[in-house]
Amino acid sequence: KAGVTQTPRYLIKTRGQQVTLSCSPISGHRSVSWYQQTPGQGLQFLFEYFSETQRNKGNFPGRFSGRQFSNSRSEMNVSTLELGDSALYLCASSTDRDRGYEQYFGPGTRLTVT
Amino acid sequence: LAKTTQPISMDSYEGQEVNITCSHNNIATNDYITWYQQFPSQGPRFIIQGYKTKVTNEVASLFIPADRKSSTLSLPRVSLSDTAVYYCLVGGLGGSTLGRLYFGRGTQLTVWP
Repeated sequence: KAGVTQTPRYLIKTRGQQVTLSCSPISGHRSVSWYQQTPGQGLQFLFEYFSETQRNKGNFPGRFSGRQFSNSRSEMNVSTLELGDSALYLCASSTDRDRGYEQYFGPGTRLTVT
Repeated sequence: LAKTTQPISMDSYEGQEVNITCSHNNIATNDYITWYQQFPSQGPRFIIQGYKTKVTNEVASLFIPADRKSSTLSLPRVSLSDTAVYYCLVGGLGGSTLGRLYFGRGTQLTVWP
């Protein structure tokens, strides 16, 4: 069974630009979560999608948005990039909805904003 | 909201048992406790999950006292390859636990030969 895949793996953008990251979950997984990881803040939850609906949201500004398609693939968009958005963005998928969760993480997209 | 506190770092030697404790004083009734392992430049990997008492799998044990305000991850007979960051996560997805997802700061475990 293929794992969670994320594209691209590395990205360099300039301040003010926008970026879209993609995540393909494990086949059969309907929940996709996004996280931002930085050395200073650690792993922070961005949002979670289930059946094309955003079900959970962390404390990030509106510049961070996402969506999920009918095949469970998800995209995350960051508009008006800031230097502080440089981070490893991780996607995780899960099939377990209500009894806690076991998430499977992808390798991440390393975003550098210059 | 349930946040977690873990030691920043721990050292051990090969073959020893390692216990990492996580504090989560504000854990909610619906929250589960989950531990992940992360190597550099990789996504976290699920280790173990529990709700109360003790859970054991092929790689670790998780001890949760009755008040659930803390939990202890136990790694038996660690090896050099267990050197990683270990995260304690309290929360769940969906329903009444909406938005209640917090990773701890993580514990850097270093295993020495």
